[in-house]
Amino acid sequence: SSELTQDPAVSVALGQTVRITCQGDSLRSYYASWYQQKPGQAPVLVIYGKNNRPSGIPDRFSGSSSGNTASLTITGAQAEDEADYYCNSRDSSGNHPWVFGTGTKVTVL
Amino acid sequence: EVQLVESGGGLVQPGGSLRLSCAASGFTFSSYEMNWVRQAPGKGLEWVSYISSSGSTIYYADSVKGRFTISRDNAKNSLYLQMNSLRAEDTAVYYCARVDRVAGSDYWGQGTLVTVSS
Repeated sequence: SSELTQDPAVSVALGQTVRITCQGDSLRSYYASWYQQKPGQAPVLVIYGKNNRPSGIPDRFSGSSSGNTASLTITGAQAEDEADYYCNSRDSSGNHPWVFGTGTKVTVL
Repeated sequence: EVQLVESGGGLVQPGGSLRLSCAASGFTFSSYEMNWVRQAPGKGLEWVSYISSSGSTIYYADSVKGRFTISRDNAKNSLYLQMNSLRAEDTAVYYCARVDRVAGSDYWGQGTLVTVSS
């Protein structure tokens, strides 16, 4: 199956911008979805498709993609954005329909 | 409002079995594909199994193939995961998630904890 690789951790100053990346072969064929997960809670979808936000997700979250890399950008990070973030896409290898990224811990300083 | 509620988790000995359930409401369950996703303590998300809306297409992660069985009952708006020959490494919170063809797993349940230990 394909793999999606993310940096383990990033930090951002309050109000600043942070970009989280996700790399994998499947991203050449499929868009990534992005999930935010806070401790003890289920993941929440924050970005999907080319750059779409579900209802209720602040517009400081945005997504982009180029080649085998998808990115999630938080513009003007807030304290409540501190969480783990996972990318997810269809798996282009054919045997497994879905694959998750390794996850990135975002710390807001 | 879309709701997914998992149940059936608990403590089980290695080699034992457990059946997880996911009760869906707030949407037309029979129209949606579904996933099971798990998360071991302190670890990342791992896709476990997928089932199409009709139940005719099923996939499993290599780590559970041959031991886990996914199924659904569209008349009861329910998703299931039968887990046999459980191992310590199956210890995790198990989530059911609705699959949107564009958005991926767009709604998740709160999860149910499975602990495999003697």
